[in-house]
Amino acid sequence: SQKIEQNSEALNIQEGKTATLTCNYTNYSPAYLQWYRQDPGRGPVFLLLIRENEKEKRKERLKVTFDTTLKQSLFHITASQPADSATYLCALDPSGGYNKLIFGAGTRLAVHP
Amino acid sequence: GAGVSQSPSNKVTEKGKDVELRCDPISGHTALYWYRQRLGQGLEFLIYFQGNSAPDKSGLPSDRFSAERTGESVSTLTIQRTQQEDSAVYLCASSLRSQETQYFGPGTRLLVL
Repeated sequence: SQKIEQNSEALNIQEGKTATLTCNYTNYSPAYLQWYRQDPGRGPVFLLLIRENEKEKRKERLKVTFDTTLKQSLFHITASQPADSATYLCALDPSGGYNKLIFGAGTRLAVHP
Repeated sequence: GAGVSQSPSNKVTEKGKDVELRCDPISGHTALYWYRQRLGQGLEFLIYFQGNSAPDKSGLPSDRFSAERTGESVSTLTIQRTQQEDSAVYLCASSLRSQETQYFGPGTRLLVL
């Protein structure tokens, strides 16, 4: 079956360290993969999009990698801060665009002072 | 400017009743999307509107679900004869155009007793 998997266990890290979150997918060949942040009681907020022909994308303290052979994306937050604590979701559109997104269940990140 | 707004923020209903959920997209956004997020799960795509084109209803789980959009403004998601498994957060998003970044509202939390 087709699915997107993210580590369901919360990731606890110390402030200043790098957080690395994993997104694995099966039976899709997406042209794009996106990462979102979701805070409790709020809708997801778009962070980054990476295309299938891009190995890596950066935005400030965020870095995303996309390995279409492994069917995996890694999301890194460097110099993490308590304000980075949230649930992070990966998403893709199996149809090749990014209108009909399918999301993973997300990984909750807790950054401790 | 104002983001995507949704109402009501919470809705409790009895099994078998009909419910209407409302979404006000960002002004000027031509594309509008509805998603469902069950507890502990990823967002599921429900339906997508783009301008005056016929909506993409491929994600609607049953014929009890329907949605309308008036021009490029308000959308209403209707669930008829609600069932307990319909309990979830229903999220609306809009984007300036198709295939562009989606901006999410805060969601409507629906509980069917």
